Amino acid sequence: DTAVSQTPKYLVTQMGNDKSIKCEQNLGHDTMYWYKQDSKKFLKIMFSYNNKELIINETVPNRFSPKSPDKAHLNLHINSLELGDSAVYFCASSQAGGAGAIGELFFGEGSRLTVL
Amino acid sequence: LAKTTQPISMDSYEGQEVNITCSHNNIATNDYITWYQQFPSQGPRFIIQGYKTKVTNEVASLFIPADRKSSTLSLPRVSLSDTAVYYCLVGQTSGTYKYIFGTGTRLKVLA
Repeated sequence: DTAVSQTPKYLVTQMGNDKSIKCEQNLGHDTMYWYKQDSKKFLKIMFSYNNKELIINETVPNRFSPKSPDKAHLNLHINSLELGDSAVYFCASSQAGGAGAIGELFFGEGSRLTVL
Repeated sequence: LAKTTQPISMDSYEGQEVNITCSHNNIATNDYITWYQQFPSQGPRFIIQGYKTKVTNEVASLFIPADRKSSTLSLPRVSLSDTAVYYCLVGQTSGTYKYIFGTGTRLKVLA
């Protein structure tokens, strides 16, 4: 019973193509995220949605378009793929912690995108 | 957002206690300190969170001095399966919180 699930796990495609990655969480969390982890293993936040509303957009190229049809789903569509888009993309969700504490982030297993 | 600084890598042997220190000199009054663990080919996983003094759970302990400008994650009696990258995060939930991951510390446990 996976808490945060992403599909596909692996994606190999050519430059210039358009692709999507889907994410679903069954934890009842209000907030979902997309992170990108490049070859140097640096984990960088891209987007965050709270109850289907975009709340964080970290100056990601507009070729990347997140969509949240409901608070349990956050998909990532990438247009005109470039070599530099090759990375592992992680979806995550969270709920605010108590008394101002940071809520725990729950990550999916990642989607490894390779652009040739 | 408070910036964090950690050692890039550490090596240890099985059965030893490992302490990983994180510096966060500009931590704000309401900031909490959180540590995550990431195994190869997996997403990061929450380990522990604290505000001050000491927090302990079944996996680790977190030591935070009175000035809160640093914190130390302590892993007791590590095993080979503890080989992973450990990230320190600092922040609070007021407003929109961005979970900013630094470079992390790559821990390698040797037999």
